[in-house]
Parts: sequence; structure tokens; C-alpha cells
Amino acid sequence: AQSVSQHNHHVILSEAASLELGCNYSYGGTVNLFWYVQYPGQHLQLLLKYFSGDPLVKGIKGFEAEFIKSKFSFNLRKPSVQWSDTAEYFCAGYNNNDMRFGAGTRLTVKP
Amino acid sequence: GAGVSQSPSNKVTEKGKDVELRCDPISGHTALYWYRQRLGQGLEFLIYFQGNSAPDKSGLPSDRFSAERTGESVSTLTIQRTQQEDSAVYLCASSLTSGNTGELFFGEGSRLTVL
Repeated sequence: AQSVSQHNHHVILSEAASLELGCNYSYGGTVNLFWYVQYPGQHLQLLLKYFSGDPLVKGIKGFEAEFIKSKFSFNLRKPSVQWSDTAEYFCAGYNNNDMRFGAGTRLTVKP
Repeated sequence: GAGVSQSPSNKVTEKGKDVELRCDPISGHTALYWYRQRLGQGLEFLIYFQGNSAPDKSGLPSDRFSAERTGESVSTLTIQRTQQEDSAVYLCASSLTSGNTGELFFGEGSRLTVL
């Protein structure tokens, strides 16, 4: 069955620390991969996406993610987090109308 | 409209009552998804509509849950005889069909509390 898993449930960092959130997927065939973010009190919004080509994709607010096919991973990174990055982050995979989300990772950034 | 609109934003109901949640997708988006997000958990797929095709209902948790969509516009999710475990935020999302890449646009959700 197709699935997406996120390893970290809650991550707490201090400002300026580096961030890496894990995401692994299990899909047969081609998969499009996404990271969505949900800031407190707001709706889910797209952070970045990977369809094909360069496996290193850059999104908004300095975030990036790397698609590593051999590891079935699509980890999210940011070199230096800010307090405003406090949010819940969801990894998602899409194939043939089937869109699956991971359980989410809550990121708390301490000022 | 400019974005996906959901109503009501908050609904408190008594166990056993029926509730109806509404989603108005972005104009021109023919694909529409419903998800459930329980407190502290991820997004659970419920149902998917694609144009006039038969919906994918594989995620509906029980026969108390049903959803309809009028053409390529408004969708309603109905929960009959609500139970406390139905308490959650119900999210609607829409996307383009042509060359659908899976990029979804979400509404702000309907928070359901069953007492």
C-alpha cells in the first residue's frame, strides 16, 4: 500500500539552529512529493514540491528538500530556523489521484 | 472564489445528531478531496471526487459517512449519528485536473466537536 511516513513527531530547536525533518515514502511507480506547512491558526499551504529533474528543490522561506530515490526519502531542511518557522510540517506523496500525507512533525523554535 | 471555502468553521453537536459540512472549491478545480485531522494526528484521507467520475470512497471510515458533489462545484460531507470519535478537523482541498500533479489547495477546515 502507498504510504508516507515522518520520523519525528515533535522537534524543538533554538533560533539559528539547522533543521532536518525526515520523510520516507512507499509508492509503486512515479511519485510526486510535497511538503506542506500549517502555521498556528492557519490553513495548510504548500512549502515545496518535487515532480522530476533536479532532486534538490527549493521552496519558500529558505526551505529545501532533497529527493533520494535509493533511500525513498524526501527530507526537509533549513540551514537556520527562525521563531516564525514554528508550525506543523506535513510530507505528502501523490500518484494517480492518490494523495497520502505523513502524520506531521510539529516544530517549535525557541527565541 | 479566491480560495477553498469551508463552512461551518466550528460545529459543536451532541452525540447521535447528524452534521453536514460544506466545501466550495476554487473555481475551475475539478478534483476535490476530503481529509480528517484528529488532534495531534496527521491527515486521514476520506474521499476524492474527480469531475463526473465515480468518487473514490475508500477512505470513509464507516457507512455513517457520506459525501456528495454537485457537478464540479460544492461538496458536502455528511456524518450521521455522530460519535465522540468523529471529533476532528475536516479539511477540504481542491486541485486542477489537467496535468494533475497533486498540488492541493486547502480550506481552513471545519472543526467538529461531538459532546
